[in-house]
Amino acid sequence: EVQLVESGGGLLQPGGSLRLSCAASGFTVSSDSMSWVRQAPGKGLEWVSVIYRGGSTYYADSVKGRFTISRDNSKNTLYLQMNSLRVEDTAFYYCARAWGTGWYYFDCWGQGTLVTVSS
Amino acid sequence: DIQMTQSPSTLSASVGDRVTITCRASQTISNWLAWYQQKPGKAPKLLIYKASSLESGVPSRFSGSGSGTEFTLTISSLQPDDFATYYCQQYNSYSWTFGQGTRVEIK
Repeated sequence: EVQLVESGGGLLQPGGSLRLSCAASGFTVSSDSMSWVRQAPGKGLEWVSVIYRGGSTYYADSVKGRFTISRDNSKNTLYLQMNSLRVEDTAFYYCARAWGTGWYYFDCWGQGTLVTVSS
Repeated sequence: DIQMTQSPSTLSASVGDRVTITCRASQTISNWLAWYQQKPGKAPKLLIYKASSLESGVPSRFSGSGSGTEFTLTISSLQPDDFATYYCQQYNSYSWTFGQGTRVEIK
């Protein structure tokens, strides 16, 4: 069974750093493309970042230069390093598998982890 | 960037109703569109991909159609489990955008 489990969320102050983890089972993260999608409380979905099967990475403009996506093949885990956090980064963060070739959709999602940035 | 606009934002319906949600893209995206269902406190769930392909395990009362810039998600007979928020999604140039969501609530 394909499963994703996020961890690492928490409460922190503006300017702080946090690393989210997403442990995968039932498939290999290095063989697929993986993304982070976030959702501010009561709001819609916002794509954050992707790491493609080949290793290329891309970011939404709102997080570019502050967030870094990576993966550890030996642990079959996806990460999101978040630096210089802002109040507006407060959200549930979901990892998701981006399925397809040339065009991608999210066929599997984790349960989400909450990041709260507040002074 | 391609913008996705859903209508309506909220829809009130009764069990057994036929429900249609519209998603419009700011430029043509062929049939490269997906639909998701999200219930409160849960992760989104894929319903439809490539505009009209039903994801495995999704009930056949869900269907999708459209191409170019206008797409629809139809629930043929609304069931109690279908009260949720629905999002459309497109992918282009290494990024994804979602519609703002349509909340389907009990009338």
